[in-house]
Amino acid sequence: EPEVTQTPSHQVTQMGQEVILRCVPISNHLYFYWYRQILGQKVEFLVSFYNNEISEKSEIFDDQFSVERPDGSNFTLKIRSTKLEDSAMYFCASRMDRVINSPLHFGNGTRLTVT
Amino acid sequence: AQTVTQSQPEMSVQEAETVTLSCTYDTSENNYYLFWYKQPPSRQMILVIRQEAYKQQNATENRFSVNFQKAAKSFSLKISDSQLGDTAMYFCAFMNGSSNTGKLIFGQGTTLQVKP
Repeated sequence: EPEVTQTPSHQVTQMGQEVILRCVPISNHLYFYWYRQILGQKVEFLVSFYNNEISEKSEIFDDQFSVERPDGSNFTLKIRSTKLEDSAMYFCASRMDRVINSPLHFGNGTRLTVT
Repeated sequence: AQTVTQSQPEMSVQEAETVTLSCTYDTSENNYYLFWYKQPPSRQMILVIRQEAYKQQNATENRFSVNFQKAAKSFSLKISDSQLGDTAMYFCAFMNGSSNTGKLIFGQGTTLQVKP
């Protein structure tokens, strides 16, 4: 069965550094998402992306964050200047369509640790 | 704004017994969908079951079933014949059916421990 893949599985970075989290969604999917989960807390929506543009973003997704689909297969989340509070598990997800019969597929996540 | 609340941070159940996880939500929408996701120690989020709000019949997937009470805005998950592999964090999630983006709003999660 096709999967959403995320790399790396764990990323350690210093505060103030830029970090790029990478995702390869399922190939025929059209809607892409990033969610994050601070340790022990709920999963929070960050951003949705469709037709090469952001379709919705949360309050968390400020100017420090950006997303890109550079080559038709990868979907990246960039954090320009990381803060300690950005430490979390970041999940990429994709779906073929937004309707109920198109379930959301999640990747295994990237654990980001900011020191 | 929609909210999802899971009031049980942790639960445990003996293997082969039945357990019910609670979820309530708040919305003014009439068209929406509800989901339960499982997050085992491997971290991947796995869809367990889903329910369309317009359907009165409760969804069932093998040992997993829901009790959907639309008027009470309650969506509980029942796991029958619990297995050790059911040990995981379980998230209830809401999706607005009118949304153009299909985003999910998650509850805080319930950690379920199945004991041998």
